[in-house]
Amino acid sequence: QQQVKQSPQSLIVQKGGISIINCAYENTAFDYFPWYQQFPGKGPALLIAIRPDVSEKKEGRFTISFNKSAKQFSLHIMDSQPGDSATYFCAASMFTTDSWGKLQFGAGTQVVVTP
Amino acid sequence: GAVVSQHPSRVICKSGTSVKIECRSLDFQATTMFWYRQFPKQSLMLMATSNEGSKATYEQGVEKDKFLINHASLTLSTLTVTSAHPEDSSFYICSAREPLAGYYEQYFGPGTRLTVT
Repeated sequence: QQQVKQSPQSLIVQKGGISIINCAYENTAFDYFPWYQQFPGKGPALLIAIRPDVSEKKEGRFTISFNKSAKQFSLHIMDSQPGDSATYFCAASMFTTDSWGKLQFGAGTQVVVTP
Repeated sequence: GAVVSQHPSRVICKSGTSVKIECRSLDFQATTMFWYRQFPKQSLMLMATSNEGSKATYEQGVEKDKFLINHASLTLSTLTVTSAHPEDSSFYICSAREPLAGYYEQYFGPGTRLTVT
């Protein structure tokens, strides 16, 4: 059972446009929501993360919007560039002595930014 | 920033042999490391969680006798795929949690591409 549902599966956006990826979760115990960027043949890299006590976090061209009541969060990539073409994963986590903060990943979204 | 390395980056082995993959935290002490596998165009699937000096905790459906994990020091964890079969061919990725960065933040290694012929 996938605990974090991610959409869309793929996305094509023109250079300069906005990419929006959505994720939804069920477990209200989750309290850490990161986004990772992965290029082919590479490990994921942390892009930006949010805790549920804030509704929005912005770092450069990347913004996370968080809706606790709806149990949804999204990544917005502003002014998308060809170098942003990658697969993006949302994730959720909670820290317990059983889980040690293990991440539950979404299915991933392949983003292609056309010139 | 925190750096995690993996060795080797690519390995090809014959069916029935064993292969060891190393995961090292280069500039921090990692009390907890995680091992994932990733098939093409799929998400990361957590295989196991290892804490330094303790036995690894395996996710449901992962064969602990086939995927041996050792976290012998605060900077090194190893994954040994025993009696490898072609279906074990995958991209194996480790991550490490740095306690000083907080409870949650994990740093991922670059991955190891395993091909079993």
